[in-house]
Amino acid sequence: EIVMTQSPATLSVSPGERATLSCRASQSVSSNLAWYQQKSGQAPRLLIYGASTRATGIPAKFSGSGSGTEFTLTISSLQSEDSAVYYCQQYNYWPTFGGGTKVEIK
Amino acid sequence: QVQLQESGPGLVKPSQTLSLTCTVSPGSLSSDSYYWSWIRQPAGKGLEWIGRIYTSGSSLYNPSLKSRVTMSVDTSKSQFSLKVTSVTAADTAVYYCATTVLTEAFDYWGQGTLVTVSS
Repeated sequence: EIVMTQSPATLSVSPGERATLSCRASQSVSSNLAWYQQKSGQAPRLLIYGASTRATGIPAKFSGSGSGTEFTLTISSLQSEDSAVYYCQQYNYWPTFGGGTKVEIK
Repeated sequence: QVQLQESGPGLVKPSQTLSLTCTVSPGSLSSDSYYWSWIRQPAGKGLEWIGRIYTSGSSLYNPSLKSRVTMSVDTSKSQFSLKVTSVTAADTAVYYCATTVLTEAFDYWGQGTLVTVSS
């Protein structure tokens, strides 16, 4: 099993600032990495796939980077609607998810 | 655009079998290029992939659940299904069906259905 570890667990950011979320894989997943946003009571929404490609309809404020075992999701100019839990997920083998990072707006 | 909708009992007794169905947009199951997954999420916790099935019937399950999970597909009804046997309270979760269409990640999800295991 490939274990995905996300940090920090919680991130509190002021409106307009940038948030940087990290995801680490226990072994290389190449670029087979996705990021999801989950708001309270909703299903997850795909933001990024292939480590850095935005999914259809996702604004440019969301960007992903990394390969191998280290990945980053950056959310620029945070607004209240960006409050959510963000998950990374590898699909290099059978899919596994990270534990999530909760992004709060101060 | 693919739409998915989960359905099934919201309450299952311990040791019994959990059965859920995901109904998808008509015609979506006709392609064997997509695979159809089940993912669950206990309250306040993270996401766990349960398994996936192709339209052809080929399947892959999470090794931690493999002994208790069976998936099937019925293209005539545009549905795929999940069965989990010998359930315990640890199986209480919101269950989502999801698929990969445009990407290799889960780009379409159902709204989720809560299943509680309790006597």
